[in-house]
Amino acid sequence: EAGVAQSPRYKIIEKRQSVAFWCNPISGHATLYWYQQILGQGPKLLIQFQNNGVVDDSQLPKDRFSAERLKGVDSTLKIQPAKLEDSAVYLCASSGLVNYGYTFGSGTRLTVV
Amino acid sequence: AQTVTQSQPEMSVQEAETVTLSCTYDTSENNYYLFWYKQPPSRQMILVIRQEAYKQQNATENRFSVNFQKAAKSFSLKISDSQLGDTAMYFCASSEYGNKLVFGAGTILRVKS
Repeated sequence: EAGVAQSPRYKIIEKRQSVAFWCNPISGHATLYWYQQILGQGPKLLIQFQNNGVVDDSQLPKDRFSAERLKGVDSTLKIQPAKLEDSAVYLCASSGLVNYGYTFGSGTRLTVV
Repeated sequence: AQTVTQSQPEMSVQEAETVTLSCTYDTSENNYYLFWYKQPPSRQMILVIRQEAYKQQNATENRFSVNFQKAAKSFSLKISDSQLGDTAMYFCASSEYGNKLVFGAGTILRVKS
């Protein structure tokens, strides 16, 4: 099966600019996750979708981050305006209902200068 | 809230030898899963091994095995016959009811020739 697709692979922006990341999960996977991984740390959940509904966004900085999952398939994560501390790898993952398997994308490395 | 702790920031091992990575976790649930993920410089999060909490038998996958001590909430990973390709960051993670993954801070493993 095809993996989780993410784009872009790298992005460099100036602080206060906006940026968007895209994720296409495994076909048929109902649950989609966005994680933020700061260099040298473990991934931290930003938001979890079940189909096109939000299950958990308790750690999403809602004053600057937003995410949507239209039609329960692709998802977009946006940051506006970006801060220096947003420099990180943004990982997308999806999971189905069987065996609780998770599949991760290759991530987007964001550098805010 | 579930937590995962990895107390070894870095480990090194000689090629062909055995190494053990430590992990402790905390959860108030009875239905949970534990995972070890490998993250090479490519950033791709790769599943190494998974353990269902209700299973007493320790999971094994070829050269990888775990020591699951449920009462002590300990979940260590043993890598036998270490290979240069095992060099990576290793993350321990937990999931309650197959929900979101919560990760530890990671352990950098370096395999030396």
